[in-house]
Amino acid sequence: DAGITQSPRHKVTETGTPVTLRCHQTENHRYMYWYRQDPGHGLRLIHYSYGVKDTDKGEVSDGYSVSRSKTEDFLLTLESATSSQTSVYFCAIGGTSGGNNYEQYFGPGTRLTVT
Amino acid sequence: GENVEQHPSTLSVQEGDSAVIKCTYSDSASNYFPWYKQELGKGPQLIIDIRSNVGEKKDQRIAVTLNKTAKHFSLHITETQPEDSAVYFCAAQRGANNLFFGTGTRLTVIP
Repeated sequence: DAGITQSPRHKVTETGTPVTLRCHQTENHRYMYWYRQDPGHGLRLIHYSYGVKDTDKGEVSDGYSVSRSKTEDFLLTLESATSSQTSVYFCAIGGTSGGNNYEQYFGPGTRLTVT
Repeated sequence: GENVEQHPSTLSVQEGDSAVIKCTYSDSASNYFPWYKQELGKGPQLIIDIRSNVGEKKDQRIAVTLNKTAKHFSLHITETQPEDSAVYFCAAQRGANNLFFGTGTRLTVIP
């Protein structure tokens, strides 16, 4: 998994509670991403970071916030979890391989269930 | 934004046969097209990619073709083996952050 770890790997939480997922990389890549994977939707980008303290929204950012205080760590927070946020969450890291395109490598995922 | 469509959603082939998965994209500015393989319980694994200035790329038993005019690209797997069974995703990217995925193809290789 390209030097990427995610924690926790599984979590069950109740509606309305805050949840933080952590992504840690050992590859020193500049770009880090959070995706969610749902049946019938493939993977969709939630937020991404292009450097320490530099983040931006993705396609499905509502209800999520992120923070990156160190190059190696990227946190995803659900301020008040809802059942619609039950999903598998993947972190990815990106490094340039020429031009403006960045190959992305994915972590093992976190399965989150909101009851 | 970009819209990536992927077909078929499921594909079964006999071991040793070829498998082809096709994707179309909508944004003519997309210029990078990776393919990922995802095994059960794991994260997607990058298996091959192609850039818009190239029409075809091959890596052993897998190859990808790109038709920029028609805005479609395909993954070809030859001499399939049981370990090729997985879900495959295509994606299209423009820039460093805009990676849009297809909905996946579940490939089953029958021994």
